[in-house]
Amino acid sequence: QQQVKQSPQSLIVQKGGISIINCAYENTAFDYFPWYQQFPGKGPALLIAIRPDVSEKKEGRFTISFNKSAKQFSLHIMDSQPGDSATYFCAASRTGNTPLVFGKGTRLSVIA
Amino acid sequence: GAGVSQSPRYKVTKRGQDVTLRCDPISSHATLYWYQQALGQGPEFLTYFNYEAQPDKSGLPSDRFSAERPEGSISTLTIQRTEQRDSAMYRCASSLGQNNEQFFGPGTRLTVL
Repeated sequence: QQQVKQSPQSLIVQKGGISIINCAYENTAFDYFPWYQQFPGKGPALLIAIRPDVSEKKEGRFTISFNKSAKQFSLHIMDSQPGDSATYFCAASRTGNTPLVFGKGTRLSVIA
Repeated sequence: GAGVSQSPRYKVTKRGQDVTLRCDPISSHATLYWYQQALGQGPEFLTYFNYEAQPDKSGLPSDRFSAERPEGSISTLTIQRTEQRDSAMYRCASSLGQNNEQFFGPGTRLTVL
């Protein structure tokens, strides 16, 4: 049973465009939803995270939108740049010392 | 330390051998996690520690896998009698705790021949 479903598997976006990656979760006990960015040969790095008390969180060009009733959340990358080309993972967990459940990842390529 | 470190970065072993992987978390972090990441997939939970206690090892695939954190800092993950299906990237992450922000190390790429 896959608890966090991520789509699309891969994404190609023109430089300056908007990249959108979607995730859906099943466990209603989850209350922490981070996005991780991973470059080849590196470990995942925390990009931005949201908790269900807000519907949107923005940090620079990165925005998380959260829909609690639909059990869905998404990452929007505005003005996408070639340097944003990486694999992005959504994840979910309960607050506190609990393991993250990851999606399968989205490979983003931003082309000039 | 400045970040989570893992060693070795690469390990090639023959089927049937035992391997031990090491994780050195961020020094102030009480919680340490081990994940397994297959190529093209997201990390999957193996086990975690709060200091030296190991509250959850439900993700360990078999009894050939074990982990320790005897002094609440450095942790080791041992795989006994390795099999080819154990080939993967093994990632360690650490966290201060309450807000669950996990910081990942560079991983150990294990190849079992």
